[in-house]
Amino acid sequence: GQNIDQPTEMTATEGAIVQINCTYQTSGFNGLFWYQQHAGEAPTFLSYNVLDGLEEKGRFSSFLSRSKGYSYLLLKELQMKDSASYLCAAMDSNYQLIWGAGTKLIIKP
Amino acid sequence: DTAVSQTPKYLVTQMGNDKSIKCEQNLGHDTMYWYKQDSKKFLKIMFSYNNKELIINETVPNRFSPKSPDKAHLNLHINSLELGDSAVYFCASSQDTGLAGGRQYFGPGTRLTVT
Repeated sequence: GQNIDQPTEMTATEGAIVQINCTYQTSGFNGLFWYQQHAGEAPTFLSYNVLDGLEEKGRFSSFLSRSKGYSYLLLKELQMKDSASYLCAAMDSNYQLIWGAGTKLIIKP
Repeated sequence: DTAVSQTPKYLVTQMGNDKSIKCEQNLGHDTMYWYKQDSKKFLKIMFSYNNKELIINETVPNRFSPKSPDKAHLNLHINSLELGDSAVYFCASSQDTGLAGGRQYFGPGTRLTVT
């Protein structure tokens, strides 16, 4: 079957760095997506990886290892506004997104 | 300018009633989706339409019926509402299917409470 695993909740301190991991098992693979969802709001797109390696976009970076079925989202210089859920989603061979349950990130001052 | 809009934002109703949720996107996208997000925050795809044609129809009770009058609109009608239908329903759109389907734009959500 198809499956996405990510931690349910993480806590980090303002100004620090946090890494949110995601492992996936899909029938075929067409890329890995990260979305951010603030409480009570809609998910918004953060990043897309299809090749191995690190993609950097400001304070946020996303990494992919296709051979390991593994991705992570790296958030640097954490701000209170980064408190949100982070959803990992893998695209299978039918171009359908398989969503993880999300990681709730709590930032403490 | 709201890219993807949904109405209503909140919906409180009793078991057994029938209700509809409307969704509109002004992005010129070809593909639209309905998701259900339960209390555990798991986002589950329900339906997807591409140019008014149904392309994804997950295992959803047939009490749920989507309708796409044109490619900018995707409505969701729910018959005989049950307690387990309580959730947040998100509409989303993407430019197209395929790889473009990974970058989705979500509406603000409709919080449905069935009492």
